[in-house]
Amino acid sequence: DAKTTQPPSMDCAEGRAANLPCNHSTISGNEYVYWYRQIHSQGPQYIIHGLKNNETNEMASLIITEDRKSSTLILPHATLRDTAVYYCIVIGRDNFNKFYFGSGTKLNVKP
Amino acid sequence: SAVISQKPSRDICQRGTSLTIQCQVDSQVTMMFWYRQQPGQSLTLIATANQGSEATYESGFVIDKFPISRPNLTFSTLTVSNMSPEDSSIYLCSVERSSGLFFGSGTQLSVL
Repeated sequence: DAKTTQPPSMDCAEGRAANLPCNHSTISGNEYVYWYRQIHSQGPQYIIHGLKNNETNEMASLIITEDRKSSTLILPHATLRDTAVYYCIVIGRDNFNKFYFGSGTKLNVKP
Repeated sequence: SAVISQKPSRDICQRGTSLTIQCQVDSQVTMMFWYRQQPGQSLTLIATANQGSEATYESGFVIDKFPISRPNLTFSTLTVSNMSPEDSSIYLCSVERSSGLFFGSGTQLSVL
């Protein structure tokens, strides 16, 4: 039970910002939003996570709505190497044995 | 982050044989997780492996088919037993860190 909804695919032009949405309307107060990506046949790569504040790191920014029912992962300047499946996961920090992956969003970055 | 070494990275096996996949972590971890990713699908949790106790299997996975060892806090193995072509998948181990789950590079298994 992934508890999240993501569009199956998105396109983005190289050099532009990629904004990947995720709906998680049933999120609980102690659950975090995690984002991972998987480049073809490799292990998933951690990108970022947050609870309620917006977060930024060297890879991406995470914007969480005030009601926490949705979030957006932003890749500020997408490159061809960012082409991957992006997974949004909602999980409590003491429940990593319930870390379920949904279908994710296939991001296609085009020249 | 965590450095996770998974071996083999890929293998082609005959029907009816078994394959053991190894996962080595660079530091001690309490829980290790084994996932399966069938072609074109998302990841599915097989089991959680704690050191010193039997692994906990998710619905649809059984110990006879996927026996797991966890001899210490940095190592685990997953065996895929009596393989059939339906077992062709990527198998991934992962560990918990304070910032989330981290994954090995996976074992791509093809069963003929």
